[in-house]
Amino acid sequence: KNQVEQSPQSLIILEGKNCTLQCNYTVSPFSNLRWYKQDTGRGPVSLTIMTFSENTKSNGRYTATLDADTKQSSLHITASQLSDSASYICVVSAWSGGGADGLTFGKGTHLIIQP
Amino acid sequence: SQTIHQWPATLVQPVGSPLSLECTVEGTSNPNLYWYRQAAGRGLQLLFYSVGIGQISSEVPQNLSASRPQDRQFILSSKKLLLSDSGFYLCAWSVTWTGTSYEQYFGPGTRLTVT
Repeated sequence: KNQVEQSPQSLIILEGKNCTLQCNYTVSPFSNLRWYKQDTGRGPVSLTIMTFSENTKSNGRYTATLDADTKQSSLHITASQLSDSASYICVVSAWSGGGADGLTFGKGTHLIIQP
Repeated sequence: SQTIHQWPATLVQPVGSPLSLECTVEGTSNPNLYWYRQAAGRGLQLLFYSVGIGQISSEVPQNLSASRPQDRQFILSSKKLLLSDSGFYLCAWSVTWTGTSYEQYFGPGTRLTVT
């Protein structure tokens, strides 16, 4: 069964500090991995998407890494800002062979940035 | 540019009443369309997806149904709501599936509370 596990479940850090969110997956056959940011009461917004051959991708202060061998990904946030407070969702896509993209969603990490 | 709309933004309905949520996409043709539900403390759950007009696939058996009367319109319905139907409903679109999972773009969501 395809699964995506995220840790920690929640995290509180001070503004200006860095943090790293983790994602472990058991999805096969692997197609790509995505990180989304979801503000409270809003739809998720894509931060990065990585295929098997990519092991790092940045989007401003967000840097995602992927280790396809260990089936782990991380999202590193640098110099956090109050606007980074949100849920961060890891989504892994399996090759679905004709179906609905074969996406497996993690439950997310709820990040709170305190001033 | 493409935009995705959902309405209503919030909805409070009594148990046993009907439901109709609407999603429309602008700026693209023949998109794949998706309905997700996000319950409190849980990950996104795919409910329905559609690869074309009148083509609906259900991922999870439930009290809900979906229809796609036009290329860029996706409707989520229920004849009689249950308390367990409460949640945050998200519509998403992606380019037509051609064998590789593409980026999904989410709408703003509808918060449904069944009382």
